[in-house]
Amino acid sequence: NAGVMQNPRHLVRRRGQEARLRCSPMKGHSHVYWYRQLPEEGLKFMVYLQKENIIDESGMPKERFSAEFPKEGPSILRIQQVVRGDSAAYFCASSPSQGRGEQYFGPGTRLTVT
Amino acid sequence: ILNVEQSPQSLHVQEGDSTNFTCSFPSSNFYALHWYRWETAKSPEALFVMTLNGDEKKKGRISATLNTKEGYSYLYIKGSQPEDSATYLCASHRNTDKLIFGTGTRLQVFP
Repeated sequence: NAGVMQNPRHLVRRRGQEARLRCSPMKGHSHVYWYRQLPEEGLKFMVYLQKENIIDESGMPKERFSAEFPKEGPSILRIQQVVRGDSAAYFCASSPSQGRGEQYFGPGTRLTVT
Repeated sequence: ILNVEQSPQSLHVQEGDSTNFTCSFPSSNFYALHWYRWETAKSPEALFVMTLNGDEKKKGRISATLNTKEGYSYLYIKGSQPEDSATYLCASHRNTDKLIFGTGTRLQVFP
């Protein structure tokens, strides 16, 4: 059973470009969470999605950031018009159901904005 | 407290030493407390999910305790080995599905 997969692992974008980060949850998992780790900081919650629904986006910046988890295919975190402050590691986690259970993390995508 | 706080920030021990670190979390609306182990360049790996006051969990040489009334959890490592070197994260789960993480304790075990 493959774990949570994220791609690309490293992404370099110039200021003003768009970044698309993909997350394929573990097989059978329908809940996806995105977290961001800024330099010298801990993991911060961004958004929680179930298939075709955003459940909680309280941690996501209001502008330029969006997330989706379509019926088919991976979850996508999209950052439009990237700025240097968006440079961070973005981690995706998945779980099989709502509740207290473990969230399984992917290896992360390291975004560098030049 | 409203945030999740971990101490110490970093720890260096000799192989064979036992060690422990602390996680403090908001005790109101408690739902669960998670411990993760995070090695450099890898994904955070779940160690424990703790839900009941007084819970004690063990996995090999690593164990954890939970006090939900006062809002703290301890992680213990008995007889530390170099392969235990990692960052240990705790995360609070409060009646929602998002985890609020501490900044972690970075453990380095020297042979």
